Amino acid sequence: DTGVSQDPRHKITKRGQNVTFRCDPISEHNRLYWYRQTLGQGPEFLTYFQNEAQLEKSRLLSDRFSAERPKGSFSTLEIQRTEQGDSAMYLCASSFLAGTPNEQFFGPGTRLTVL
Amino acid sequence: GENVEQHPSTLSVQEGDSAVIKCTYSDSASNYFPWYKQELGKRPQLIIDIRSNVGEKKDQRIAVTLNKTAKHFSLHITETQPEDSAVYFCAARTGGGADGLTFGKGTHLIIQP
Repeated sequence: DTGVSQDPRHKITKRGQNVTFRCDPISEHNRLYWYRQTLGQGPEFLTYFQNEAQLEKSRLLSDRFSAERPKGSFSTLEIQRTEQGDSAMYLCASSFLAGTPNEQFFGPGTRLTVL
Repeated sequence: GENVEQHPSTLSVQEGDSAVIKCTYSDSASNYFPWYKQELGKRPQLIIDIRSNVGEKKDQRIAVTLNKTAKHFSLHITETQPEDSAVYFCAARTGGGADGLTFGKGTHLIIQP
């Protein structure tokens, strides 16, 4: 499978615990994005990377959220001290920068449930 | 920041009829407008996109129109089929170094047999 992959697909945790998700983009893609989607809503942008540089962060990305892409390939999204309001589908997407806006390809998502 | 409004939230049409979904955006600097289709439990998939230097784009049964003056864009699906049933999201990209997409809340399209 050469598409965007995410791990784990499902995560159940207790309030206050830390969780980390991983995203592997399409291999030649240099841009990687994180979105959050709650039931009945469209995806909400969180942050994106160009190679290893984090270029944009949404106001939705509170201090408890941190994302990294250390080698410009896979990325991790960590949520510290999880809250019930963090329950959502976390989607990763990737694209290839070529001077003009290009299609963002989405992964299958990680569904987080905070009890 | 950008704000995208999408209507209707639910649209039911007879198989073979046309469906139209409308979106408005707030930031005149937005320059890229993709439409995604999301089936239940699946990832969003791009079905068509349009850039701000183009007024209309068509791909088989799907077309998108853009009115930059009014800041609205629409998705048109003709000759609807049962497999068109899904949630459709419009989105806008502001540009100027910002690459994150702002999505509408989605339209649940139901194709009645």
